Amino acid sequence: AQKVTQAQTEISVVEKEDVTLDCVYETRDTTYYLFWYKQPPSGELVFLIRRNSFDEQNEISGRYSWNFQKSTSSFNFTITASQVVDSAVYFCALSGNTGFQKLVFGTGTRLLVSP
Amino acid sequence: ETGVTQTPRHLVMGMTNKKSLKCEQHLGHNAMYWYKQSAKKPLELMFVYSLEERVENNSVPSRFSPECPNSSHLFLHLHTLQPEDSALYLCASSQEGGGNTEAFFGQGTRLTVV
Repeated sequence: AQKVTQAQTEISVVEKEDVTLDCVYETRDTTYYLFWYKQPPSGELVFLIRRNSFDEQNEISGRYSWNFQKSTSSFNFTITASQVVDSAVYFCALSGNTGFQKLVFGTGTRLLVSP
Repeated sequence: ETGVTQTPRHLVMGMTNKKSLKCEQHLGHNAMYWYKQSAKKPLELMFVYSLEERVENNSVPSRFSPECPNSSHLFLHLHTLQPEDSALYLCASSQEGGGNTEAFFGQGTRLTVV
């Protein structure tokens, strides 16, 4: 069975602080995909990144960076110099190689960035 | 037009009512999904449709009835719901068949069953 754990329920930071959101996953598949989504108060899930199990390169996109480590089954997300607009719920998700987005989600981490 | 549009955004219904949620995707995708987001549980997959054929039904009670008349539209018909069915229902779409892909979500329908 697949499982995603986001142990941090809520994180509060002050603007310009760096913050890391943790994600640990479990799967028996050798080919799988990991995702991060952002859910602002409006409700929709906004896609941030996808990683496949064969690509362990870290990625940086502006203030966002992701650290994928198969050895520890982790896919952590760091926001550098956080801004108030980063306040949202962030979900880590996992899918197998089924050809469909049958996503298994973590419970989410609520990030509150205060001015 | 946004990529995935859901209507209505909010819905309050009694346990004996029948209502439908609508989802429309403008992305030319070939797969559509219903996910449920409850207050106390992780987001969970309900149904998957590929080219109008249902390919997944995750043990969802029969009071939820999906319909996919074409690749751009997906409905979720609701009848005799229970208060515990109150949740945010999210529709998503994706383009499958090429490997690396991701789901695009709508803003959801906030359903309250009274």
